Amino acid sequence: GENVEQHPSTLSVQEGDSAVIKCTYSDSASNYFPWYKQELGKRPQLIIDIRSNVGEKKDQRIAVTLNKTAKHFSLHITETQPEDSAVYFCAASMSFGNEKLTFGTGTRLTIIP
Amino acid sequence: GAVVSQHPSRVICKSGTSVKIECRSLDFQATTMFWYRQFPKQSLMLMATSNEGSKATYEQGVEKDKFLINHASLTLSTLTVTSAHPEDSSFYICSARDRRTSYEQYFGPGTRLTVT
Repeated sequence: GENVEQHPSTLSVQEGDSAVIKCTYSDSASNYFPWYKQELGKRPQLIIDIRSNVGEKKDQRIAVTLNKTAKHFSLHITETQPEDSAVYFCAASMSFGNEKLTFGTGTRLTIIP
Repeated sequence: GAVVSQHPSRVICKSGTSVKIECRSLDFQATTMFWYRQFPKQSLMLMATSNEGSKATYEQGVEKDKFLINHASLTLSTLTVTSAHPEDSSFYICSARDRRTSYEQYFGPGTRLTVT
């Protein structure tokens, strides 16, 4: 089955700086890669996703890059703000057929004011 | 976006009793729903895939007789934790995808189960 690894497990950055979180996946059949933000005790919220037919996607301060050959994808947050502090999870799945999400282990991001 | 609800949000039960958690898609039909478990400071682990009108598909290591899943309609899946024990205490979250609109899976708000 799919295995998703995520690094780092914790990340602290100064407000205004950029944060990068990296994930690798094992199953070449995976073609959908969402990123979720989860605050304590709350449900995961989708912040950005990418399908395997594109290499990069951007939404304001958030971007995701995908390297299918190397089987890794990354989340980039620029101009970080205190409200970006949360736990971030990457995930991988197939968009058709078996759609179950396999999650990475999570990254606790802390923005230092 | 689509809305998924869960009930109850919190439940405390005694060891040996059973607890039922409901997951509903409020504005779309979901032939497939997913149940996850999340222990404190850990990731979401898929427990099972709930299939409308057929048996659930359980992940390796998840006891199907302990975690009963019923997906009786296109908008409702239930997870019953039978003979609960303290080690079953966790955050249980369901998700569903609205296939009409996007690839996004929508998560319920989660149920915090505490077994005493």
